[in-house]
This record gives sequence, C-alpha cells and structure tokens, in this order.
Amino acid sequence: GAGVSQSPRYKVAKRGQDVALRCDPISGHVSLFWYQQALGQGPEFLTYFQNEAQLDKSGLPSDRFFAERPEGSVSTLKIQRTQQEDSAVYLCASSFQTTDGEQYFGPGTRLTVT
Amino acid sequence: GNSVTQMEGPVTLSEEAFLTINCTYTATGYPSLFWYVQYPGEGLQLLLKATKADDKGSNKGFEATYRKETTSFHLEKGSVQVSDSAVYFCALSDLYSGAGSYQLTFGKGTKLSVIP
Repeated sequence: GAGVSQSPRYKVAKRGQDVALRCDPISGHVSLFWYQQALGQGPEFLTYFQNEAQLDKSGLPSDRFFAERPEGSVSTLKIQRTQQEDSAVYLCASSFQTTDGEQYFGPGTRLTVT
Repeated sequence: GNSVTQMEGPVTLSEEAFLTINCTYTATGYPSLFWYVQYPGEGLQLLLKATKADDKGSNKGFEATYRKETTSFHLEKGSVQVSDSAVYFCALSDLYSGAGSYQLTFGKGTKLSVIP
C-alpha cells in the first residue's frame, strides 16, 4: 500500500505569491496533521483534521495560513502572500484514530520564498 | 505546555560504539513517547514508541524505556552501524494538550554520524 504522498516536493515562490501544498494521506486514515519544519529544527504542529473537520488550528502562525480537507481525504495547505520566514519544509502526517498518537509522515514539501 | 528536550548534536561515533541520546519531557497529561528517525534524503519514520510508564520500545537494535519518575525516554543502541547515521527526534503525544488531537511535540533533533 502507498504511504503518505505530498506534492510538489519543492516549491520556490517569490515573496507575496500564494502557494498551495497538497497531501494524500494513507487510505482509510481518519486523522491528518500538518507540521512545519525549519532548517535544523524539529517539526512544529500547524493543524489537525479528523475526517473533513478541522479540529485544531492552534499552530497556524498567521491568518495567511489556511488548510482544508473537504472530502476527508486529500488536504491542501495554502499560504497567502508568502514571506521569507515561511521558508521551511511542510510535513503532512496521517494516522488511524488511535489513542497512542502514532503518525505516518510524507516526504515533505520544501518551500523556499525568495 | 508540552515540551521535549534532547541532547544537542552532532554526535559522531565509531562503528560498534555504544549510543545514548538523552531525551526528557514535560507534559500536561500522560503522554505517549516516540523516537522518529530521518535518514538522509528521506522522510520521518517511526523508530519505536512506548505508551505507558516502564514500557520499553525497541526496534532495529534500538531501545528506549518510558521513565515517568524522571520524565525521560533515552534512546540507546549497543553497537551502532554506519547505516544508523541519521537525525533522531524524540517526540510526545498527549491527548490533553490540544483540542482533542494527538499532535506530536518534537525535540530539536540529534544528528548522528557513524564512521567506519
């Protein structure tokens, strides 16, 4: 079975442009997470979906960040008016709805804002 | 809030040396603990986990024991190989840390290089 996939793998955007990052979770996984990983740091939580419901968006750094999962499967993370500090790797993870929190990660999208 | 602190890297060891990477945590509730590994050019992979006190997680010769009394989850391996070279992340998941989510809180990562 396929793992979590993300596209594009690399994205270069000029400051001020909007970007959209896609995540395809493992089929049947109810939970989906987005994380941001700055260079040399651990991933930091952005937002969480259970099916199509966004239950936790406490980690989104500003209102320029928006995520959706309209049919409870594929998710898109959108960043409006990108800024240089948005440069990072964006990781998507999915999991069964279990109580132990084990998550399966995609390869990430490396975003560079110039 | 929740946090994870792990030893600063980079760590360089000779092949067959003993490895310890220290990890301590603070958590609101009663977390599950994880070690994830990121090999060069690859995504994060779960290495091992423990869900309750005194549990020992193990995989690929790596071990870590959930110590509630010292709030620690140190990673150990008796004899490292060149293929173990990677970045290792300690993480916790605490149901009560957010709006019902199992978000992972990560440490900053420890880069391990094993030389022949």
